[in-house]
This record gives sequence, C-alpha cells and structure tokens, in this order.
Amino acid sequence: DAKTTQPTSMDCAEGRAANLPCNHSTISGNEYVYWYRQIHSQGPQYIIHGLKNNETNEMASLIITEDRKSSTLILPHATLRDTAVYYCIVRVAERETSGSRLTFGEGTQLTVNP
Amino acid sequence: GAGVSQTPSNKVTEKGKYVELRCDPISGHTALYWYRQSLGQGPEFLIYFQGTGAADDSGLPNDRFFAVRPEGSVSTLKIQRTERGDSAVYLCASSLTRRETQYFGPGTRLLVL
Repeated sequence: DAKTTQPTSMDCAEGRAANLPCNHSTISGNEYVYWYRQIHSQGPQYIIHGLKNNETNEMASLIITEDRKSSTLILPHATLRDTAVYYCIVRVAERETSGSRLTFGEGTQLTVNP
Repeated sequence: GAGVSQTPSNKVTEKGKYVELRCDPISGHTALYWYRQSLGQGPEFLIYFQGTGAADDSGLPNDRFFAVRPEGSVSTLKIQRTERGDSAVYLCASSLTRRETQYFGPGTRLLVL
C-alpha cells in the first residue's frame, strides 16, 4: 500500500472549517483514500473514503487532487468534539488473499480550540 | 444497529499469564480484523479472518499469539505467556466483505504487570 504523509498536529478554531492535508504521491490507480479519526481512548471511527472524485457525507468532505497524489479532509464547522487524531490511509481496492488490511501512520492531532 | 463490541474493556494480568480477548463483530460481517495499538502510535495489523479461516496472520508478532473464529462470527485473540511488551490496546474491526469499509470496536486495554 502507498505511504501517506500528514502533518503531526494542527489547530482550528471552533466553528471554522478544519482542512487536514494528506500526501500520497505513490498511490496506485486501484487504491482508495480512507480517513479515520480516533478520539482519545476510543476505537478508530470511519469518516469517509474516495477513489477519484470528491466525496461528501454528513461528517466531512474529501477533496482528491486530479493526479491523486494528495487529498484534503474538510470538516466544515469544527466543534470541540472533533478534537482527535485523524488518519489518512491508502488502501488497495482488492487483494486476493490478505483482505484489505489498513496501514495506519501516526496521523494528525487536530485540536479544536474554543 | 449494534456496532463492534469487545470484552473486556480493560484487562490487567501478570507476566507469564494467559489471556483471551473477545470480539463480537457487526452481524452479517464476514471479514474480521485484529489490530494492536501501542501508546502514541497508530494501530498495527495482526490478523484477518474471512469467515472461519484466518486468511492472513502475517501481523502476529510471534507464536504466543493466536486467534480463532470458529463459527464465523465471534473471534477470540489468545495470548500465551504474556510479556510486559504485550501491553497495548487491542482493536477489532469488521466489514461486510473484505472490500468494504472496516468498522472498529472500542478496544481492549491490556496491561501486563
């Protein structure tokens, strides 16, 4: 799976948009970009994923560049409860025998400030 | 609906003891994964089940670790002769199929004294 690079930490003011970048310059054509977050002492929570097109759901938007080498997760109106570690993960769409294990990096610690 | 559940939520044991950690996946999910997370790091893959069989156990650190899923639903991660280095949060995830999104449980925090 392709490696991802994320900033170690970011700050955001409550109510403002939080834009979390991720670099995945070695991504292959059959690899998805997944985002999870982990609030302290909880299991990772799925946020969103995409292949080529931008995606939006009730939690966030995912913007993937045309060359697919980077992406941005957008939390449109950050709240204090969005403070968490955010993981950007590249995952092969299909793998014959090994399933689709997730390879986590160290993620970005997002702190939403009042 | 019910998510992935894991029991116990916390487990304290002594070095050398045997422990079992349980995972109840989301109903109907055929794929089940175990991960381990050490303090300050992201989760690391341990083992993947497709149905009852372990399709990929390449992440298990050594032969003290073993996992089963006898009926294709509940899974148990077993650790023999625990060591202090085994202290971590053990996470379970399930997905409808191996291609679908994985959903995680809350984890079991294991402390080996």
